[in-house]
Amino acid sequence: AQSVAQPEDQVNVAEGNPLTVKCTYSVSGNPYLFWYVQYPNRGLQFLLKYITGDNLVKGSYGFEAEFNKSQTSFHLKKPSALVSDSALYFCAVRDMRGAGSYQLTFGKGTKLSVIP
Amino acid sequence: KAGVTQTPRYLIKTRGQQVTLSCSPISGHRSVSWYQQTPGQGLQFLFEYFSETQRNKGNFPGRFSGRQFSNSRSEMNVSTLELGDSALYLCASSLGLAEHNEQFFGPGTRLTVL
Repeated sequence: AQSVAQPEDQVNVAEGNPLTVKCTYSVSGNPYLFWYVQYPNRGLQFLLKYITGDNLVKGSYGFEAEFNKSQTSFHLKKPSALVSDSALYFCAVRDMRGAGSYQLTFGKGTKLSVIP
Repeated sequence: KAGVTQTPRYLIKTRGQQVTLSCSPISGHRSVSWYQQTPGQGLQFLFEYFSETQRNKGNFPGRFSGRQFSNSRSEMNVSTLELGDSALYLCASSLGLAEHNEQFFGPGTRLTVL
């Protein structure tokens, strides 16, 4: 069965510093990987995805993620954090073997706090 | 283009009652999935529908059911509510059959069971 791990419940970073939110995954086939962000009392917003190709994926709001197949990781990064980036971040995976199925398996989420 | 809409946004019920939640996907999206979000369990997959057919189901009891209509709108029903059903219920829609399509989420329905 596919699974996603976000090892950090919370990440604190100073405004203007680079940020990293970690994610590792486990799937049987080739993975489709996603990052979502959730602001308080809101649904999830799509940030970026990895399907195939370049290991560095660029997404919304200046975020990017690096896919590392050997380490089965898909860490979210941003060069310079903003206070408005403070939110809950979810990594998700869809196992490619689930053809025709849209089920996403989510990590537990990482709360990012950007300190002014 | 309008996003995914969910109604109602907030709901308070008592144990033993039943509840129906509604989701309208983005226009043109034919796939709808439902998730339950709680602080303890995180985001858990409930079920997904495509073209009015349930394609996949998560590990929830039979009290949780859903359906999709010909216009792709979806409803989920929870019967005989329990305190543990209190959660944020999220609906997500997706464009088509390709696995790489991202899901777009609605704002959720906050269900409180007293």
